[in-house]
Amino acid sequence: DTAVSQTPKYLVTQMGNDKSIKCEQNLGHDTMYWYKQDSKKFLKIMFSYNNKELIINETVPNRFSPKSPDKAHLNLHINSLELGDSAVYFCASTPMAGGRDTQYFGPGTRLTVL
Amino acid sequence: GDSVTQMEGPVTLSEEAFLTINCTYTATGYPSLFWYVQYPGEGLQLLLKATKADDKGSNKGFEATYRKETTSFHLEKGSVQVSDSAVYFCALLMDSNYQLIWGAGTKLIIKP
Repeated sequence: DTAVSQTPKYLVTQMGNDKSIKCEQNLGHDTMYWYKQDSKKFLKIMFSYNNKELIINETVPNRFSPKSPDKAHLNLHINSLELGDSAVYFCASTPMAGGRDTQYFGPGTRLTVL
Repeated sequence: GDSVTQMEGPVTLSEEAFLTINCTYTATGYPSLFWYVQYPGEGLQLLLKATKADDKGSNKGFEATYRKETTSFHLEKGSVQVSDSAVYFCALLMDSNYQLIWGAGTKLIIKP
């Protein structure tokens, strides 16, 4: 019973392509996040949605567009991929925004742009 | 703004050694404090947390005490195992904020 799942786990693609990463949580949480982790393990938040509404939109190139069809799903679409987009992308969820709850992370998607 | 500072890694220890990973924070209010762990090839998972001053979080032999006077939340374990090798992240969360503020992570390597 995977709580937060991501697909695909690995994604290798060429520069300039468009790709999507999907995330689903079966915890009934209201809030979901996308993080980018670079090669030095530094975590950077990208977006957060609360009940399908965008609540955090950090300084991220507009080539990255999140979409939340329902509160259990938060997908990340990336246009015109660049070498610097290579990283591990983590999805996470938490019961509600603004509380002191634990965040639950997915296993990550390792994106490699060639 | 709010921030978290962790000791730089990697930290390399022998099995059964005592572990301390330092974490200090800067915050305008009274945050909740967390330690997350990332095992190789996996996502992050909560290790322990504390929500108010003097609280001690503990899990899997790890402990951390929320010290308001020193704004610290150092992670300790009395006897580490090879299986503890991972990257450890300290983080804080303010009630009014929607996001965790993360430290840079500390890689821990335990040698047999």
